[in-house]
Amino acid sequence: DIQMTQSPSSLSASVGDRVTITCRASQSISSYLNWYQQKPGKAPNLLISAASSLQSGVPSRFSGSRSGTDFTLTISSLQPEDFATYYCQQSYSTVWTFGQGTKVEIK
Amino acid sequence: EVQLVESGGGLVQPGGSLRLSCVASGFTFSGHWVSWVRQAPGKGLEWVANINQDGSEKYYVDSVKGRFAISRDNAKNSLFLQMNSLSAEDTAVYFCARDVRSSGWSHDFWGQGALVTVSS
Repeated sequence: DIQMTQSPSSLSASVGDRVTITCRASQSISSYLNWYQQKPGKAPNLLISAASSLQSGVPSRFSGSRSGTDFTLTISSLQPEDFATYYCQQSYSTVWTFGQGTKVEIK
Repeated sequence: EVQLVESGGGLVQPGGSLRLSCVASGFTFSGHWVSWVRQAPGKGLEWVANINQDGSEKYYVDSVKGRFAISRDNAKNSLFLQMNSLSAEDTAVYFCARDVRSSGWSHDFWGQGALVTVSS
């Protein structure tokens, strides 16, 4: 199965900070990479699909990019409602896999 | 409004079986792939299985192959997960999710989850 290595596992940041989360695939997955946000006790919410396609209703401060097998989720200016856990997911193979998650906490 | 509602979770003994259900509404269920995703307490997300529109294609993560079976009943807008030979490692919240293909595949709608606890 394709392994997704997400980093960091957690980070502390302040409101207004620029935050970057990285996900590396163990092999080529083209751009079949999604980003989800999950808040405690809730189901995940799709933010970005196909590496960089922002979902309808998701604020434009979220963006995604790809460089080979490395993928990045950027939050340009962190807002109070953005404190959550973020997961990447590859949907290239028939067995889909998630990264380990990145918990974004308040500094 | 798209809705997915899971049911059937609960406490089961190791080695036991449980069947989860997910009822869909607000969209043409028979037109979509659907998945099960689980999350152990305090842990990350794990994709478990998915099934195509008519049930002829099914895929599973290695850890559940031969023990879990995904199925659907399009007439009842329902998705199922039959779980057998359960162990403590299967304790998790199980989410059903709609699969969608735009530029790539993703889960665009999720249920609220059903808790499965495997314990003696």
